[in-house]
Amino acid sequence: NAGVTQTPKFQVLKTGQSMTLQCAQDMNHEYMSWYRQDPGMGLRLIHYSVGAGITDQGEVPNGYNVSRSTTEDFPLRLLSAAPSQTSVYFCASSYGLDYGYTFGSGTRLTVV
Amino acid sequence: QQQVKQSPQSLIVQKGGISIINCAYENTAFDYFPWYQQFPGKGPALLIAIRPDVSEKKEGRFTISFNKSAKQFSLHIMDSQPGDSATYFCAADSSASKIIFGSGTRLSIRP
Repeated sequence: NAGVTQTPKFQVLKTGQSMTLQCAQDMNHEYMSWYRQDPGMGLRLIHYSVGAGITDQGEVPNGYNVSRSTTEDFPLRLLSAAPSQTSVYFCASSYGLDYGYTFGSGTRLTVV
Repeated sequence: QQQVKQSPQSLIVQKGGISIINCAYENTAFDYFPWYQQFPGKGPALLIAIRPDVSEKKEGRFTISFNKSAKQFSLHIMDSQPGDSATYFCAADSSASKIIFGSGTRLSIRP
């Protein structure tokens, strides 16, 4: 099993560009989330999903969109990149409470 | 608004010593409290977790102590080893859909 796969691993964007961070899991997990990690800020929840077709906002959703058309995939879209979105992005999935989340290896995004 | 407050920000412990990281939460709806370990360049990995109906959970050298009335919980690492050097995050969850993390503690174990 691959677990949670994130692509790309590294990305540099210019301000105003858009892009999609890909996330796929092969564990048949219903719950999936996107986090961003910044120094001293821990992991902040951007968007999450409790199943295909269901998404909701987390702590810092502005500037990001998500969709969940299948159980396996949960892409994160940056609509118009800003330098404040420079961060490491993690996708995670879970069976549910008591199982914890499995994280991907992250995407390091730099917006110049 | 920080729903889960974690301290200290960084910690240095001698090999063989006890590492202690503390967290406090505000939302009484939280009912699952995991700790995650993260090595540089990797995603966080679940280390140990506790439900609020128990006061302590131990797995090997790692112990969670939980104080429901004070809304506090802590991670104790006994006989700390250089391989334990990592960043540790506490977290709190009420439904597996909206887990909230603390700000992290960078732990260094000196040989």
